[in-house]
Amino acid sequence: AQKITQTQPGMFVQEKEAVTLDCTYDTSDPSYGLFWYKQPSSGEMIFLIYQGSYDQQNATEGRYSLNFQKARKSANLVISASQLGDSAMYFCAMIPTGNQFYFGTGTSLTVIP
Amino acid sequence: SQTIHQWPATLVQPVGSPLSLECTVEGTSNPNLYWYRQAAGRGLQLLFYSVGIGQISSEVPQNLSASRPQDRQFILSSKKLLLSDSGFYLCAWKVRGWPNTGELFFGEGSRLTVL
Repeated sequence: AQKITQTQPGMFVQEKEAVTLDCTYDTSDPSYGLFWYKQPSSGEMIFLIYQGSYDQQNATEGRYSLNFQKARKSANLVISASQLGDSAMYFCAMIPTGNQFYFGTGTSLTVIP
Repeated sequence: SQTIHQWPATLVQPVGSPLSLECTVEGTSNPNLYWYRQAAGRGLQLLFYSVGIGQISSEVPQNLSASRPQDRQFILSSKKLLLSDSGFYLCAWKVRGWPNTGELFFGEGSRLTVL
């Protein structure tokens, strides 16, 4: 069975500091994709970053980076230099071989001025 | 460019009434289509996905159903709503043929309250 786990229901970070949001996954498929999405209070889902299981390097997109540790089956999101606009729900997601796209339960991030 | 629309944006329905949420995608062909539900303060639960017209895969057995009458149209329905059907429903699409790359693109969401 495919599973995504986010163990931090809520996180707080000081503005301009870095924060790591945890994500672990479980799949027996050798090929899979990992994603992070941001959901502000408006409800829209915003794609942040993607990591393929065969990618050798960790993905980066601006202030977002994905700390991919394949052996530990973790795909943590690192946000550097946090901004007030980063306050939102963050979801980790996985698509194994196939068409299903699975999401974790999310982490609520609050950036403190 | 590709766009996705879903409606209605907000819906308040009594228990036992029917439901129809519609989603359309523009600017792409043969997309994979998905319906998710998000309960208040919770994660996204995959309800249905479709890889082609008339092809529906159900992830969670419940009183909801989905249909794909056209390539870029995806409909979520219920004959009789339950209180537990309340939530935020999101439609999404993905480029078909990319096995596990390519992100999901989401619609604006439909907030359903069942009273």
